[in-house]
Amino acid sequence: DTGVSQDPRHKITKRGQNVTFRCDPISEHNRLYWYRQTLGQGPEFLTYFQNEAQLEKSRLLSDRFSAERPKGSFSTLEIQRTEQGDSAMYLCASSQENRGDYGYTFGSGTRLTVV
Amino acid sequence: GENVEQHPSTLSVQEGDSAVIKCTYSDSASNYFPWYKQELGKRPQLIIDIRSNVGEKKDQRIAVTLNKTAKHFSLHITETQPEDSAVYFCAASWGFQKLVFGTGTRLLVSP
Repeated sequence: DTGVSQDPRHKITKRGQNVTFRCDPISEHNRLYWYRQTLGQGPEFLTYFQNEAQLEKSRLLSDRFSAERPKGSFSTLEIQRTEQGDSAMYLCASSQENRGDYGYTFGSGTRLTVV
Repeated sequence: GENVEQHPSTLSVQEGDSAVIKCTYSDSASNYFPWYKQELGKRPQLIIDIRSNVGEKKDQRIAVTLNKTAKHFSLHITETQPEDSAVYFCAASWGFQKLVFGTGTRLLVSP
């Protein structure tokens, strides 16, 4: 386990379709975060989990977005009825609570294009 | 909520010069301040971070300073090299949880 893995790397979908992304965190990390990054902007926080509990959701996360982390391991982010404004890079990160060096690590992201 | 402002948005320097990027945060409870480097099409990578109980931290050519009273922190890169060219993001966090990012600085180092 060398880092945070995200799948797929790229996704092109038609407007109105549903999409699901997966994130596999570093195995010993108990916190998992989702961010969205559009071109020329910094990553924007969407939601985060500690183990299997979803502790915070951003106001950016509309009802069309849902995230899960069953069993506190991998996580999925689903977007229903996609819109062109959903086109962005979706980044996942993980960290370990109470770890001295924090260890916050990003995955390579899933680039979503809604056409 | 927390807001982080970052300046400048673009910075062009000659190889060997120093570069300074500044950020201001709004939430005085923030206690963790990382800096990330992001190359085109790649993920953000942590280059240095500082916690609120420290005023300055250095790692080779990179240093970060924190002024808690003024709520601002800065990234200093000395002896810049062309491979330092990238977008740099500052961020702030409370309790080592979610990160709030600045808008980024595009650094261009010319040979």
